[in-house]
Amino acid sequence: DGGITQSPKYLFRKEGQNVTLSCEQNLNHDAMYWYRQDPGQGLRLIYYSQIVNDFQKGDIAEGYSVSREKKESFPLTVTSAQKNPTAFYLCASSIGTTRGYTFGSGTRLTVV
Amino acid sequence: AQSVTQPDIHITVSEGASLELRCNYSYGATPYLFWYVQSPGQGLQLLLKYFSGDTLVQGIKGFEAEFKRSQSSFNLRKPSVHWSDAAEYFCAVGYILTGGGNKLTFGTGTQLKVEL
Repeated sequence: DGGITQSPKYLFRKEGQNVTLSCEQNLNHDAMYWYRQDPGQGLRLIYYSQIVNDFQKGDIAEGYSVSREKKESFPLTVTSAQKNPTAFYLCASSIGTTRGYTFGSGTRLTVV
Repeated sequence: AQSVTQPDIHITVSEGASLELRCNYSYGATPYLFWYVQSPGQGLQLLLKYFSGDTLVQGIKGFEAEFKRSQSSFNLRKPSVHWSDAAEYFCAVGYILTGGGNKLTFGTGTQLKVEL
């Protein structure tokens, strides 16, 4: 079945360490997105990519980095510069402009 | 800039009762509007969407939503709620990105609790 796979589901890291969250899709979608979710704040856009080898900053890109070397993959790195990295991270993809997003099941990152 | 307001943080309804979740948006052009549902610890699932045409749209799981341009609203409704509808609901407004895809701005969500 086609879908988006995020791994791992839970991730624990020490403060000051970089960590990379995986997002893979087999839907043949062109666009991919990373959102951060915090209680009471909804979803906030971190980065998005419309085509391979190109990506754009979203509303809260500071402290994050991404790459898009393959159409299927859009990994997110949470760097030590991110002041408050503990959150639930959601990856999504879309095709065309009218179908909305397909979401992965998320990664919960806890920095201790 | 586009924005979405969901004024109700929590709503509790009895099973079998009707439901209406409110959503107001701010966007300069004709909006693309969405409702998503999220179960705890999971991703979001698309319930329904509005792009144009009939202002009353039907979605999955018996949900519907009505687009009212004059009120900048896109409220979600269900005639009879089931216990399995307990979840968090997000309204979103989107616009098309040059080069493909669309950018969605989400509301802060409404947590629905269903009493048996």
